[in-house]
Amino acid sequence: RKEVEQDPGPFNVPEGATVAFNCTYSNSASQSFFWYRQDCRKEPKLLMSVYSSGNEDGRFTAQLNRASQYISLLIRDSKLSDSATYLCVVFLLGNTGKLIFGQGTTLQVKP
Amino acid sequence: SQTIHQWPATLVQPVGSPLSLECTVEGTSNPNLYWYRQAAGRGLQLLFYSVGIGQISSEVPQNLSASRPQDRQFILSSKKLLLSDSGFYLCAWSKPYGGPKSDEQYFGPGTRLTVT
Repeated sequence: RKEVEQDPGPFNVPEGATVAFNCTYSNSASQSFFWYRQDCRKEPKLLMSVYSSGNEDGRFTAQLNRASQYISLLIRDSKLSDSATYLCVVFLLGNTGKLIFGQGTTLQVKP
Repeated sequence: SQTIHQWPATLVQPVGSPLSLECTVEGTSNPNLYWYRQAAGRGLQLLFYSVGIGQISSEVPQNLSASRPQDRQFILSSKKLLLSDSGFYLCAWSKPYGGPKSDEQYFGPGTRLTVT
């Protein structure tokens, strides 16, 4: 089983739609959680950090369920510019800590 | 503010040739530094990380090596490239472990390496 699992998609949605991405992680020792956005042939960029049960930033809402080892990202009112791959990432506590990346979910927003 | 640079942006090298990729960070001191590789259609794989000058930890056995000659400089090297070394190489930094938001990593623009 992969340490961080995501539905690879692609998710094809019209502009203005609401879309949700799910992610599960296998290590219960995971301490903190992130969503990164990666545009085609570019570096990943930190979108949101999720330190408690969840947080909201404009059109983006992230939720965490530690009991179920599940993280979600909700995007409301999708824009064409939201088209990208969204990476679910968990931080494992250790001597120096370590980020574990999911393989990403691809979103394509259509006009 | 902090910035991270990588060069070159793209590289085409023949099998068996050496490799040197460089990463530098500005605007912070004593960062943790990381090298990742992203093969086509795959997730990010952590290759090396460093918590200080001369301190390198390897995550996977391979024909690559890393060095940190200065606080904000991280170098990825190979003596002889393999076809399987092709990929997108990303350098990242984070604040020293244990401080606030030290689990957040920030990536450089990457080097796209094609081994022919």
